[in-house]
Formats: sequence, C-alpha cells, structure tokens
Amino acid sequence: GAVVSQHPSRVICKSGTSVKIECRSLDFQATTMFWYRQFPKQSLMLMATSNEGSKATYEQGVEKDKFLINHASLTLSTLTVTSAHPEDSSFYICSASSPGNTEAFFGQGTRLTVV
Amino acid sequence: KQEVTQIPAALSVPEGENLVLNCSFTDSAIYNLQWFRQDPGKGLTSLLLIQSSQREQTSGRLNASLDKSSGRSTLYIAASQPGDSATYLCAVRGTQGGKLIFGQGTELSVKP
Repeated sequence: GAVVSQHPSRVICKSGTSVKIECRSLDFQATTMFWYRQFPKQSLMLMATSNEGSKATYEQGVEKDKFLINHASLTLSTLTVTSAHPEDSSFYICSASSPGNTEAFFGQGTRLTVV
Repeated sequence: KQEVTQIPAALSVPEGENLVLNCSFTDSAIYNLQWFRQDPGKGLTSLLLIQSSQREQTSGRLNASLDKSSGRSTLYIAASQPGDSATYLCAVRGTQGGKLIFGQGTELSVKP
C-alpha cells in the first residue's frame, strides 16, 4: 500500500509554545488529508479535512485558530498546535487518500506531551 | 449522523482459536468500509477494504464481510496468533473521498 510519513513521532514542549507536525505522502499525490486526535483507550476523532490549495474544513468543536492546518502541496500537510497547553497532550494521526483511491493510509502518529 | 459501534470492546482468546470481531453502522448508505489494526502507540495499518458493492474481502488469515442492508461487518481471524494482539478498528466512508467514521475498536489479546 501507499506510504504516509508523519514527523515527529514524539514531541515534548513547554506550555505556551507552538508545535508543528508534518504529514507527507511519499509515493502518491494526496489532494485530501485528514487529521485525527486520539485519547488513551479511545477511538480516533476527526479534527479537520485538509484540501490542497484551499482552507481546511474543521469539525464542530475544533478551534481552527488553535489547530492551524496548511496543505500547500500535494504531498505535504502540516498541523500546528498553537500556544499549547497540557490538555492538548494527545496522539495526533494523519491520513491521506489520493484522487480515485478511496483507501485511507495513515501516518505513524505523533505523541504530543505539553508540560 | 453515521455512528459506528464495535463489539466486543475487548477480547482475550488462547492461541489457535478462530474469532470474529463485529462492527455495526447506523446509516447503510456507505461508500466503503475499512478494517484497521493499531498497535499500542502506533498509527493505523490498513487490513482490508470492502467497497459498498462487495460482500467480502480476504487477506491471508483475515476475512471481512459486509452486509450493507443490515449495517454490519465482521472481521474473521483464523488460527489466531500472539502477534495478532492489537486493537482492531473499523471505519466507514459515506462518499468517495469523504471522511472516515470510526468505531471505538476491539482490543484483542491472544494468549500463547
């Protein structure tokens, strides 16, 4: 299957700082990428849909000014957690689908810890 | 609003046993359904993808079925092994290119 690479896999940051997470599709062009958040022992919660060259679509209850998404190219989407707080600590996962390929491929996830 | 439910939430079986994981969804108008495996602290690995027009898909010891009219899918694992221990998630997609709606997952433990 297709490969989606997510970086970093782990990050620890101080409260009030911003953290950027990258999601890359390595062997295909992804017009759409999705960002999820996962709490311990829970399923994935969709945060936003990222479309190349346009603004992201955020799910209800997700603060767009808090979680900035940029999808500037067909192989890269970034999620920036701004002014991070301890409650933002979580596991963040991205997925990508190429046009016409309806199968979703996921990155390895990023464990964010805000101290 | 689509809702996906997985039963059981956790399952522990001895090695070698055949087992079935269940997934149900409330809106039968789906585009496809996908089963994933997630190891602790890791991302998701796609196991099987079933299009809405299909009834089942097989890969090795895994077989997934889909009954769209009743809103159900099952993942059958034959001759389970300790290496199968993981959380299994099912997810449905309503439209081509649309978002996936996930179930809560089944945490599987296969004892040697």
